[in-house]
Amino acid sequence: KAGVTQTPRYLIKTRGQQVTLSCSPISGHRSVSWYQQTPGQGLQFLFEYFSETQRNKGNFPGRFSGRQFSNSRSEMNVSTLELGDSALYLCASSSSARGGTEAFFGQGTRLTVV
Amino acid sequence: AQSVSQHNHHVILSEAASLELGCNYSYGGTVNLFWYVQYPGQHLQLLLKYFSGDPLVKGIKGFEAEFIKSKFSFNLRKPSVQWSDTAEYFCAVNFYNQGGKLIFGQGTELSVKP
Repeated sequence: KAGVTQTPRYLIKTRGQQVTLSCSPISGHRSVSWYQQTPGQGLQFLFEYFSETQRNKGNFPGRFSGRQFSNSRSEMNVSTLELGDSALYLCASSSSARGGTEAFFGQGTRLTVV
Repeated sequence: AQSVSQHNHHVILSEAASLELGCNYSYGGTVNLFWYVQYPGQHLQLLLKYFSGDPLVKGIKGFEAEFIKSKFSFNLRKPSVQWSDTAEYFCAVNFYNQGGKLIFGQGTELSVKP
């Protein structure tokens, strides 16, 4: 069974640009969550999608957005990049309709903003 | 606000020593509890989880954790660590009615000396 796949693995962008990250969940999983991991702030929840609807949102500015497609694949977009957006972005999928099940994580996308 | 705290940021042990990592969460009613591990260069993997029932749960690689509801704690233990346990350990909580959203502790870096 294939795991959670995130692309690309590494990205270097310039301040002010925008970026789109992609996540393919485990087959059959309909919930996709995104997290930002930094040395200073640790793992912080960005948002969760289930059946193409955003179910939950963390405390991030509106520059961070996402969407989910009918095949459960998800994308995350960050506009007007800032240096502080440099981080490892993790995607997790689960089968749950109401939460409370194991989340499976991808390898992450390492974003560097210069 | 819902929060999770891990007591130790960096733990250094010799092989065969016993391990206990503390995790406490803010009051929030019903919770689902997890410990994840991140080996160097690898993705987050689930060590163990607690949803209900026996508060002492066993996970992979000889790890176990005890849920103490009155103390809002979910401490991770291993009787005898190995060099291969060197990794970062994260406690995560899914609070009731929050879908699949996980709130993570800051993580504990474990270094095991051979």
